[in-house]
Amino acid sequence: DSGVTQTPKHLITATGQRVTLRCSPRSGDLSVYWYQQSLDQGLQFLIQYYNGEERAKGNILERFSAQQFPDLHSELNLSSLELGDSALYFCASSVAGRVSGELFFGEGSRLTVL
Amino acid sequence: AQSVTQPDIHITVSEGASLELRCNYSYGATPYLFWYVQSPGQGLQLLLKYFSGDTLVQGIKGFEAEFKRSQSSFNLRKPSVHWSDAAEYFCASETGANNLFFGTGTRLTVIP
Repeated sequence: DSGVTQTPKHLITATGQRVTLRCSPRSGDLSVYWYQQSLDQGLQFLIQYYNGEERAKGNILERFSAQQFPDLHSELNLSSLELGDSALYFCASSVAGRVSGELFFGEGSRLTVL
Repeated sequence: AQSVTQPDIHITVSEGASLELRCNYSYGATPYLFWYVQSPGQGLQLLLKYFSGDTLVQGIKGFEAEFKRSQSSFNLRKPSVHWSDAAEYFCASETGANNLFFGTGTRLTVIP
């Protein structure tokens, strides 16, 4: 158990819909990272927050947004969903603001868009 | 642009045999390099990391990796594989942009 909690574990929805994925980092970790894992794209970095502020941005679509709340949990919002958004979405956390420390990954939220 | 290449998509080894998983990086300076393992239905777990110094890095679960600048490689090794090592292994690099760039992964199958 990494200490990172992601909900929901599985989600099935239809195209055009909007979903919210939630992540609770390990106790004491200030950074939250979101990654997308799909068969064709592999593991792609989406976005990072550090202590409530956006720190780094990767290949995140404009239809996607994220935020980190004062209690340090984070939410990834996916809107106008397309079939290609079906993937496993991972959240990871770390103590520091840089990935050079160890990242602790949650078990992921599997999104299926029909 | 930075990249990490894992040339082997799938490797099968017998239990007790040695293992080497290949990883090549492409970046001008020496990046921070990592190996992560993903067991079925699980998130990723850090096996080891290299920043600088000793080029042979020891990790958890009996794994080690060797950084070779001349070959731009960071191969993962284990002298004797256990059935529980069956998983997907990812090499990753971080080059100052504060995110991990993952390779495509190598799936390891262990046969008895």
